[in-house]
Amino acid sequence: AQSVSQHNHHVILSEAASLELGCNYSYGGTVNLFWYVQYPGQHLQLLLKYFSGDPLVKGIKGFEAEFIKSKFSFNLRKPSVQWSDTAEYFCAVKANDYKLSFGAGTTVTVRA
Amino acid sequence: EAGVAQSPRYKIIEKRQSVAFWCNPISGHATLYWYQQILGQGPKLLIQFQNNGVVDDSQLPKDRFSAERLKGVDSTLKIQPAKLEDSAVYLCASTSGGGGPSYEQYFGPGTRLTVT
Repeated sequence: AQSVSQHNHHVILSEAASLELGCNYSYGGTVNLFWYVQYPGQHLQLLLKYFSGDPLVKGIKGFEAEFIKSKFSFNLRKPSVQWSDTAEYFCAVKANDYKLSFGAGTTVTVRA
Repeated sequence: EAGVAQSPRYKIIEKRQSVAFWCNPISGHATLYWYQQILGQGPKLLIQFQNNGVVDDSQLPKDRFSAERLKGVDSTLKIQPAKLEDSAVYLCASTSGGGGPSYEQYFGPGTRLTVT
């Protein structure tokens, strides 16, 4: 079974700072990759996804992620965060079994 | 479009008691999932339904957990008897189609269970 590792448990940064959250997975075959976000008091929602094609994918709210196959990574980035980006971010992977495997999540706190 | 509905939102029970959670997926979504999310961890799949049939329940602790989706719409997840380690958020998700890689899962708000 595949596993997903998120590098940071909690990230604290100021508004306008750049954000990068690391995600690595352990599976050698074809994968589909996702980032989900959970804002305080809200349910999990899809931020962006990668299935094939351009390894740089853009999602909602100015987020993007880059799939680097050789590094088994799918890092999430945002050039300039806002206070409203405070949330928990989950990386997830679907492999051949079509099960969605989640990382442990990264809590992002943006200070105004 | 209405989202995935779950109830109750919060539940506190004592160990060895039983509890049930309810989920109503997005209308027309054939595939339904139950996940367990323990504090500090990501969601872990417990069971997947396709219409009213079980596709995958390999991660469901069947000695105490059960789930059903009788008419292929609503689903209930039951724990009997509960243990302290069952304290978690129980998430329901649904998707159209067969749950393949290109289908997005839509999540409900979850039920937060505390076992004392």
